[in-house]
Amino acid sequence: QVQLQESGPGLVKPPQTLSLTCTVSGDSISSGNHYWSWIRQPAGKGPEYIGRIYVSGGPIYNPSLKSRVRMSIDTPNNQFSLRLSSLTAVDTAVYYCARGVHTYGRDLGLDYWGQGTLVTVSS
Amino acid sequence: QSALTQPASVSGSPGQSITISCTGTSRDVGSYNLVSWYQRHPGKPPKLIIYEANRRPSGVSRRFSGSKTGNTASLTISGLQIEDEADYYCCSYAGGDILIFGGGTEVTVL
Repeated sequence: QVQLQESGPGLVKPPQTLSLTCTVSGDSISSGNHYWSWIRQPAGKGPEYIGRIYVSGGPIYNPSLKSRVRMSIDTPNNQFSLRLSSLTAVDTAVYYCARGVHTYGRDLGLDYWGQGTLVTVSS
Repeated sequence: QSALTQPASVSGSPGQSITISCTGTSRDVGSYNLVSWYQRHPGKPPKLIIYEANRRPSGVSRRFSGSKTGNTASLTISGLQIEDEADYYCCSYAGGDILIFGGGTEVTVL
């Protein structure tokens, strides 16, 4: 059974940097045909795609957040991470990590998600 | 990129069928057959129920079906059941390994 679990602070002061880690169990983060994503959802709104990272190939960021986002992957510990800088109240949201599936240039969706972690940006 | 457009809410009685629309543009929904749908119950993470516009992952009920025409994708839930009461989100590939989501639709079973 594949499981993902987010960890990180629940409260961050502006304009600090948010650091979240997603720990993957039940699957190797190096397994083929998968990518590893971060998505966030502000209260009462739809999800916003933050970006993805491949074990081989590097990260791809949402252009709207590109200047503030960094993702990394830690294969020995089966984890991947998100850093989001220059936080403001607008960044308050539930942050999810998720596993994506791709094959032959086709994106087949996000098949496993973490439970999500609420991050509040407030002084 | 703007979010995909979904109705805020849809309702139906048990046993009925409902359809949720998801409207994008020629740069996302219209260009790729890579639309996915997610179901989210309160306090739970989203669950993938449709991918590639009309394919169901293993274990997902056949009551869920998807389709796409032009810039609009649709999710149909047939034989509506109480446990289908949830929020539903569409998501489209938008090129360059970017995904774009809809604003979500709340489904109520009357």
